[in-house]
Amino acid sequence: GNSVTQMEGPVTLSEEAFLTINCTYTATGYPSLFWYVQYPGEGLQLLLKATKADDKGSNKGFEATYRKETTSFHLEKGSVQVSDSAVYFCALSDPQAAGNKLTFGGGTRVLVKP
Amino acid sequence: SAVISQKPSRDICQRGTSLTIQCQVDSQVTMMFWYRQQPGQSLTLIATANQGSEATYESGFVIDKFPISRPNLTFSTLTVSNMSPEDSSIYLCSARGQGTGYTEAFFGQGTRLTVV
Repeated sequence: GNSVTQMEGPVTLSEEAFLTINCTYTATGYPSLFWYVQYPGEGLQLLLKATKADDKGSNKGFEATYRKETTSFHLEKGSVQVSDSAVYFCALSDPQAAGNKLTFGGGTRVLVKP
Repeated sequence: SAVISQKPSRDICQRGTSLTIQCQVDSQVTMMFWYRQQPGQSLTLIATANQGSEATYESGFVIDKFPISRPNLTFSTLTVSNMSPEDSSIYLCSARGQGTGYTEAFFGQGTRLTVV
C-alpha cells in the first residue's frame, strides 16, 4: 500500500535559518505529491505540489522537488520567519488507487524563534 | 480552488450526546472526505462522503458511530454519535475536484470537539 514518512519534530530554528523537512514515500503507482501547512488553530492549507518526476513545487519561499529515484519530496526554505511556525504535512495521491484518497505523513512541527 | 465552510468551529459536548458538523463548499466538487485529527497527531480518514448514497468508511470507523450525509455536490454532514471523551478531536472536512487523482484537496477550518 501507499505510505508517507516524514521526519519527526519538533524542529526548532532561529529566524533566517535554513529549513529542511525530509519526506519519503512508497506508492504502487505514480503519485502526485503535496506539502500542506497547518497554522495553530486552523485547517490545512496547500503549500505546494508536484505531479510528476523532477517537477519542482514552490510557494512562499518554500520548495520541494519530486525525486522518483529516491522516492522523496523534501521541503526546503532558505530563510525562515517566525510566521513559518506551523505543522507541515507531506502527502501523496495515487491516481491508480481506488478512492483517490490522500495519504498523509505524520506531520512535522516547526517552531521558529526570533 | 474551493472555499470550504465548516461549522461549528468548536463545541463542548456532554458524553452520550451527538453533534452534527456541517460542511459547505463554494463550488461543485467530485469528492468530499471527513478526517479526524487527534491532538498532536496526523489526519486519519474517517470516510468518503458519496453523493446520494452511503458513505464509504475506513477500517475502524462505522456508520452507526459516524453517520454521514451528502445530499448534493456541495454539502455534507458528519454526526459524531453517543460521544465519549475519546471522541475529543478536530474533525476536518475536505473536498477535491475534477481530475481528482492529480489535484490538491481543500480543507475546512476544522471543528474542535471536546467531550466532557
